[in-house]
Order: sequence, then structure tokens, then C-alpha cells
Amino acid sequence: EIQLLESGGGSVQRGKSLRLSCATSGFAFRSFAMSWVRQAPGKGLEWVSSISADGGTTGYADSVKGRFTISRDTSRSTVYLQMNNLRGEDTALYYCSKGHQSAAVPDYWGQGTLVTVSS
Amino acid sequence: QSVLTQPPSASGTPGQRVTISCSGGSSNIGNNFVYWYQQFPGTAPKLLIFKNNQRPSGVPDRFSGSKSGASASLAISGLRSDDEADYYCAAWDDSLSGYLFGTGTTITVL
Repeated sequence: EIQLLESGGGSVQRGKSLRLSCATSGFAFRSFAMSWVRQAPGKGLEWVSSISADGGTTGYADSVKGRFTISRDTSRSTVYLQMNNLRGEDTALYYCSKGHQSAAVPDYWGQGTLVTVSS
Repeated sequence: QSVLTQPPSASGTPGQRVTISCSGGSSNIGNNFVYWYQQFPGTAPKLLIFKNNQRPSGVPDRFSGSKSGASASLAISGLRSDDEADYYCAAWDDSLSGYLFGTGTTITVL
């Protein structure tokens, strides 16, 4: 059974940092791209970032570029999202997702971890 | 246009067929695959359709996807009360070099 378990969310002040983790199991982690997608309270889905299967290629939404960094640790089957200089508009439920086939577009999703940024 | 536009809501009675549109542009839907997701309140999204019209195993054939030019559609036939959920389209955008999600559509079964 494919499982993705996010952790690391919480309440932080504007300008601070958080690192999200997503521990995975049930699939060949090294073979799939991974992504983070967020959902602000009561709003729609927003793609945040993706990383290729080999970790060599990353992509970011313009809204987080230069502030967030995605990475992966194959030995731990875990993907991370380092979030710096957090803003109020970063408040959201952050989902980790496994890429579908050879693409980073999500197929399996975790249950999400909530990030709340206050002033 | 680098935005995927969906109607905010749609509804139907049990057994009816409901269609959700997803309108984009040449840099996203017009040149890339479309994916559809179903999300129930308080839960993570679930992949419903991949590569325009393919269903993952376990997804009923009541759900079907199509694409024409820079627009796509999700059809739900034989509507059931447990189809009440939010539905999102998604596609890669060549201009943004990232994924776009649609604005989302809430399906209500009357």
C-alpha cells in the first residue's frame, strides 16, 4: 500500500522558516518524481514545487521561488520542503504527492500538514 | 492564458449526466495532458482521470474525460449522491514551467 506521511507543519511568525517532511512507503521512491501542493483554507489547489526522480531537476511556483527549496533523500524515501521567509499567504494545508508514471503530476497524496503564518 | 477556468458549481439529480468544463490556453491544455481530481471535504484529492481520458484502476467508468483544443471536460454519468465533491482539472503549463490546477467545481446532487 502506497503511503505518504507529511510532518513539520505548525504555527510560525511571518519571516520565519519551517521544514516539511514527507515520509513515503509502498513504492519505488527512487523511480518517481515528487511534488508539494498546497490548499489555503476554503480555497483551491495550488502547485508549489516538484523534484525529479533523480533529484536533478526542480521546479517552483512563482509565488514561492527564491524562498522555498525542495529536496529528497532516497535512503530515507523522504521528500522535504524548506520554507524560508514565510508570508501570510503561505498559510495552507501542504500536501505531498507522488508523481504519476514519468511525470510529476500527482497521483497519490498524503493527508497534508497545516502551516499557519501569523503576523 | 496561464489559468485553468472551471465553473464554480454544477448540479444534477441522481442518474443524470453532469459535465464540468476546464478552459485553458495553448501553453497548458492546448499542448499537454489534462488530469482530473476528486476531493471530498477534509480529505486529500484523488486522481480520477489521467492523460486526458484514462482512468486509474478502481475509478468507475461513470467518469470520463475528454479534450479538444485548449479545453477539457469531465463527465459524470449515472450521478450518485456520493459524487458530491469538488473536482479540479490540472495540466502542465509550458510558459510557467509548472503545473496549473483549475479553479475547482463543486458538484451537488439534488
